[in-house]
Amino acid sequence: GNSVTQMEGPVTLSEEAFLTINCTYTATGYPSLFWYVQYPGEGLQLLLKATKADDKGSNKGFEATYRKETTSFHLEKGSVQVSDSAVYFCALRVSGAGSYQLTFGKGTKLSVIP
Amino acid sequence: DVKVTQSSRYLVKRTGEKVFLECVQDMDHENMFWYRQDPGLGLRLIYFSYDVKMKEKGDIPEGYSVSREKKERFSLILESASTNQTSMYLCASREDSDASTGELFFGEGSRLTVL
Repeated sequence: GNSVTQMEGPVTLSEEAFLTINCTYTATGYPSLFWYVQYPGEGLQLLLKATKADDKGSNKGFEATYRKETTSFHLEKGSVQVSDSAVYFCALRVSGAGSYQLTFGKGTKLSVIP
Repeated sequence: DVKVTQSSRYLVKRTGEKVFLECVQDMDHENMFWYRQDPGLGLRLIYFSYDVKMKEKGDIPEGYSVSREKKERFSLILESASTNQTSMYLCASREDSDASTGELFFGEGSRLTVL
């Protein structure tokens, strides 16, 4: 089956620190990969995505590269801000008939302190 | 802006009560989903619907049912609420034709407490 493994949190960083949140996956087919973010008191929203190997998704200073050889999609940001404090979810979807579901990781909570 | 609206942000119910959670989307999306979110467990799919009156079980359907009578509305029903159904419930929708992107649009969530 399909699964996503994220690094466990919580992660606490000082403002302007470098962020990496690890994500690895197993998939029965050829997945599209996503990072979703959930700010306090809100639902999830798409942060970035990549649909094929070596694609790099980017948004709001965050980046993640689809690495097929290591089955990974690690999230990075060079300089975090307090406003980046949120829960981050890695997810995948395998295309094909009946592929309605996204498979989510358990989430990583990030706290950025001034 | 796309919008997924969940009817209640916070609910408190008693064990054995019937609970309805409503979700409405204004994007004319074919697919709609109900997830529950629990600390340390992430998001788990309860049910989804790929079209009006169509539904499929997700990973944890036990104790839940759903209704999709109109395209824009997807309801989650707890026939007899139990304390282990205390959770955050998230509704989402997606355009069916977007096979590769698969972006889900989420509501803000409904936090249910069962006493």
